[in-house]
Amino acid sequence: DAKTTQPPSMDCAEGRAANLPCNHSTISGNEYVYWYRQIHSQGPQYIIHGLKNNETNEMASLIITEDRKSSTLILPHATLRDTAVYYCIVRVAGNFGNEKLTFGTGTRLTIIP
Amino acid sequence: NAGVTQTPKFQVLKTGQSMTLQCAQDMNHEYMSWYRQDPGMGLRLIHYSVGAGITDQGEVPNGYNVSRSTTEDFPLRLLSAAPSQTSVYFCASSGHGKNEKLFFGSGTQLSVL
Repeated sequence: DAKTTQPPSMDCAEGRAANLPCNHSTISGNEYVYWYRQIHSQGPQYIIHGLKNNETNEMASLIITEDRKSSTLILPHATLRDTAVYYCIVRVAGNFGNEKLTFGTGTRLTIIP
Repeated sequence: NAGVTQTPKFQVLKTGQSMTLQCAQDMNHEYMSWYRQDPGMGLRLIHYSVGAGITDQGEVPNGYNVSRSTTEDFPLRLLSAAPSQTSVYFCASSGHGKNEKLFFGSGTQLSVL
């Protein structure tokens, strides 16, 4: 069973904010939401993660709904280098060993000049 | 601090040949895993390990063996390569703790003819 659902593709104009949604309606109380991205055929790269509060770092912001059933990754000023596949996953923090960490197919974000 | 190192970067095999994909990390991470990624698809977990001497199967373990004799190394063995194993393989590692992230290697592109 898929733990997360993401749209297969999205476009965003360069310089605009890119908002990538993720549904995780079966998330457990101790599961964090993680976002990774994969540029071309490189290894996935960590972006951000959160439990229930909104989070921000130098790369992006993460907005998690109050019921925690969905979240949105925000890239505030998208550049061409943000074109990538973005993966939303949920996991029990501090306990990688007790689950099979699955990535799904993600959202292919294309930044348009 | 090299992170997660995978070798080789590219490999071509004939059907029935065997080989080992190497993965090493220098971050003293307990958790290591192997994923395969086929064109247009997400990452699928092959095998994972939560520490030296401990391994377990992921989503697609058939045709692959792993072992974890040290914390640093987690090799993936193909005993008798098949064309269906043509893929890009990624190794990943992580520590424990709520802020731990999964770090990925740069991948091995394998073709089985």
